[in-house]
Amino acid sequence: EDQVTQSPEALRLQEGESSSLNCSYTVSGLRGLFWYRQDPGKGPEFLFTLYSAGEEKEKERLKATLTKKESFLHITAPKPEDSATYLCAVQANTGNQFYFGTGTSLTVIP
Amino acid sequence: DGGITQSPKYLFRKEGQNVTLSCEQNLNHDAMYWYRQDPGQGLRLIYYSQIVNDFQKGDIAEGYSVSREKKESFPLTVTSAQKNPTAFYLCASSINRGWESNQPQHFGDGTRLSIL
Repeated sequence: EDQVTQSPEALRLQEGESSSLNCSYTVSGLRGLFWYRQDPGKGPEFLFTLYSAGEEKEKERLKATLTKKESFLHITAPKPEDSATYLCAVQANTGNQFYFGTGTSLTVIP
Repeated sequence: DGGITQSPKYLFRKEGQNVTLSCEQNLNHDAMYWYRQDPGQGLRLIYYSQIVNDFQKGDIAEGYSVSREKKESFPLTVTSAQKNPTAFYLCASSINRGWESNQPQHFGDGTRLSIL
């Protein structure tokens, strides 16, 4: 069964304190892994797509990496405006559905 | 600007009432999806449609219905058979053509449904 697990559920960081969010997945053939940012009361905003192990993508203070079993979202020197819930999703080769994790709620304290 | 528009932003349902949530996209995407989001749970798929006049049930379709008469529109009806409809509902779309079938979904800003 295709499955996505994110950890930790919640993370509090001081401004400037770098850390990583984890997304572990089990899927019968990965078509793509996707990271989203979701602010309260809003829809998820697309951040990155990763397709194969070893791939990396960067955007400002965020960097996403992918292995055969998990993906990490590294946050370097975070700012309070990076506070949000970060969602991970996978799409399997066997269909057109996307499977989402429950997210990591990130709070960055000034 | 291209995007996905969901309306209304807030909706209240009375007992025994059916309500319809609107989702419109101008991204020229083939596939459209409806998700339900509850606190502490991941997004759960209600229905999805890959082409006009065709749609498939997701993991939690009971108590919901959809139609896809136009490429741009994918309305969701929450029927009175859905006993616990209070949630945040999200509509998404994606390209779903051949070699582009691995593209990400893009989301609207959701509709929050509550029971009166």
